[in-house]
Amino acid sequence: AQRVTQPEKLLSVFKGAPVELKCNYSYSGSPELFWYVQYSRQRLQLLLRHISRESIKGFTADLNKGETSFHLKKPFAQEEDSAMYYCALRRNQGGKLIFGQGTELSVKP
Amino acid sequence: GAGVSQSPSNKVTEKGKDVELRCDPISGHTALYWYRQSLGQGLEFLIYFQGNSAPDKSGLPSDRFSAERTGGSVSTLTIQRTQQEDSAVYLCASSSPGQGYDTQYFGPGTRLTVL
Repeated sequence: AQRVTQPEKLLSVFKGAPVELKCNYSYSGSPELFWYVQYSRQRLQLLLRHISRESIKGFTADLNKGETSFHLKKPFAQEEDSAMYYCALRRNQGGKLIFGQGTELSVKP
Repeated sequence: GAGVSQSPSNKVTEKGKDVELRCDPISGHTALYWYRQSLGQGLEFLIYFQGNSAPDKSGLPSDRFSAERTGGSVSTLTIQRTQQEDSAVYLCASSSPGQGYDTQYFGPGTRLTVL
């Protein structure tokens, strides 16, 4: 069965500090991994996807198949990064997303 | 031009009553998804429609839940004989083949409260 685990419910850092939101997955095939973000009173939206290897708002995530991880990183956190972050896995193009439980990131001034 | 819309934004109902939740996807998006967001369970997949294919109903928690998509556009999620554990935010999303379905665009959700 596919599963996505985000071990931290809440991550609190100070502005300017590095941040890493952890995501581990279990899936026997080749998954597609995503990070979605939900800012306060806004809709859930795509942040980045592993296949495009992009940096969005300073965030990056590398798929590590050996460790089955897809951690989200940013070298210098900003207050506007405070939000709920969800890691998600998709088995095939167009298919459903399997989400982790989410990590609330709080960036303090 | 508009994003995914959902109605109503809030719904309060009594245990045992039926409810219908509506989703209007982005025009041209052939894939439509329903998810549920609740405190205890996080974000759970419910059902997925793709064009004219049979829907993937594997996430529906019980036979009290059903959904349909008429004309390949608007979708309605129906919950019969609601229970208190059905209380959650119900999210709809749609995606486009033009982007390889990579990006799912989410609606604002319907907050369902079962008293």
